Amino acid sequence: DTEVTQTPKHLVMGMTNKKSLKCEQHMGHRAMYWYKQKAKKPPELMFVYSYEKLSINESVPSRFSPECPNSSLLNLHLHALQPEDSALYLCASSHPPSGVQETQYFGPGTRLLVL
Amino acid sequence: SQQGEEDPQALSIQEGENATMNCSYKTSINNLQWYRQNSGRGLVHLILIRSNEREKHSGRLRVTLDTSKKSSSLLITASRAADTASYFCATGKGAQKLVFGQGTRLTINP
Repeated sequence: DTEVTQTPKHLVMGMTNKKSLKCEQHMGHRAMYWYKQKAKKPPELMFVYSYEKLSINESVPSRFSPECPNSSLLNLHLHALQPEDSALYLCASSHPPSGVQETQYFGPGTRLLVL
Repeated sequence: SQQGEEDPQALSIQEGENATMNCSYKTSINNLQWYRQNSGRGLVHLILIRSNEREKHSGRLRVTLDTSKKSSSLLITASRAADTASYFCATGKGAQKLVFGQGTRLTINP
């Protein structure tokens, strides 16, 4: 299985809602990533988990809360988001870090609209 | 700021022609990667070229790397409508942090 899956595909939420994005991979990868991508822009790294531990947090606001319950799953919990948080949220995974950048495998993304 | 900058920002060619995209970066790298993104979808890895390699091929793709100029190019030969997508180069800052260039939006006209 060489696929990264993400649910839901689309999400509309109000600024007072709490929702979660989910990501799953079964490639045995031990590094997992969350990216945010605005229209016509490149993906921007938000969080990196390495061996289920948070290793990089790119100064993301606390209204985004990541969680890695096990080596196959990655969640992003959303609370009190702002309209400017509307974007495509991409999950990716890769082999364990070896000192050099590894190829990353991306999911199809969750398109989030905050009203 | 982004590690990689790409040009052109947009490229429109006829089916069957070749497409060339360029990427420049600022600091030393271990490797450079190219990804493709169809509209509103996830990214697909195309090719990885290591810093000690000068050229790499994969099917209709040819990537070059010039570390002295801190630049890379992606050539797609005999383009097809299905090649219409955005193409991003990506370099690393540290082992886990991949930084993407601004991307080139490629349109293949039938």
